[in-house]
Amino acid sequence: AQSVTQPDIHITVSEGASLELRCNYSYGATPYLFWYVQSPGQGLQLLLKYFSGDTLVQGIKGFEAEFKRSQSSFNLRKPSVHWSDAAEYFCAVGGVSGGGADGLTFGKGTHLIIQP
Amino acid sequence: ETGVTQTPRHLVMGMTNKKSLKCEQHLGHNAMYWYKQSAKKPLELMFVYSLEERVENNSVPSRFSPECPNSSHLFLHLHTLQPEDSALYLCASSQESSGTYTQYFGPGTRLTVL
Repeated sequence: AQSVTQPDIHITVSEGASLELRCNYSYGATPYLFWYVQSPGQGLQLLLKYFSGDTLVQGIKGFEAEFKRSQSSFNLRKPSVHWSDAAEYFCAVGGVSGGGADGLTFGKGTHLIIQP
Repeated sequence: ETGVTQTPRHLVMGMTNKKSLKCEQHLGHNAMYWYKQSAKKPLELMFVYSLEERVENNSVPSRFSPECPNSSHLFLHLHTLQPEDSALYLCASSQESSGTYTQYFGPGTRLTVL
């Protein structure tokens, strides 16, 4: 079965500093990969997604992610974080069943704290 | 209304109550999902509906009963719940024919079982 690992439970970054959140997946083929963000008391908002093609994908709010097949990774990056980026970030895998409607498999999330 | 909406946003119920969670998507999608988000655990897929037919049920206890009357609405009927069922319940939708598996989530219902 597919799985998603986010090795960092918490990350603290100073405002204005760069950010990288790690995500590794376990699946035989190239899955569909997603990053979502969840603010306190809110649902999940899609940041970006990867299906095929260019391995560097751009998302909303200045985020980007790079797919590296050799490392089974899909790390999320941002060059300069803002206090409003403080939230929970989830990496997810989908499309593995081959069916049209397919549930996503999520990592446990990384809690991002921004220091002033 | 836009996107995916869920009502109520908060619900407190006793173990013997019966209640329902409602989800509505305004995106023209044809697949809908229920997820459970508990503290310190990954989001768990509960149910998948495609074209109003249930296509997946991830071994969810029978005290949770989903209903999808049309492609825009999804319900989760609750009865005889346990305190460990307290969680954030998230609804999502996607367009199955798009082949992108991209799901859009509602804000969730925070459920507390006393």
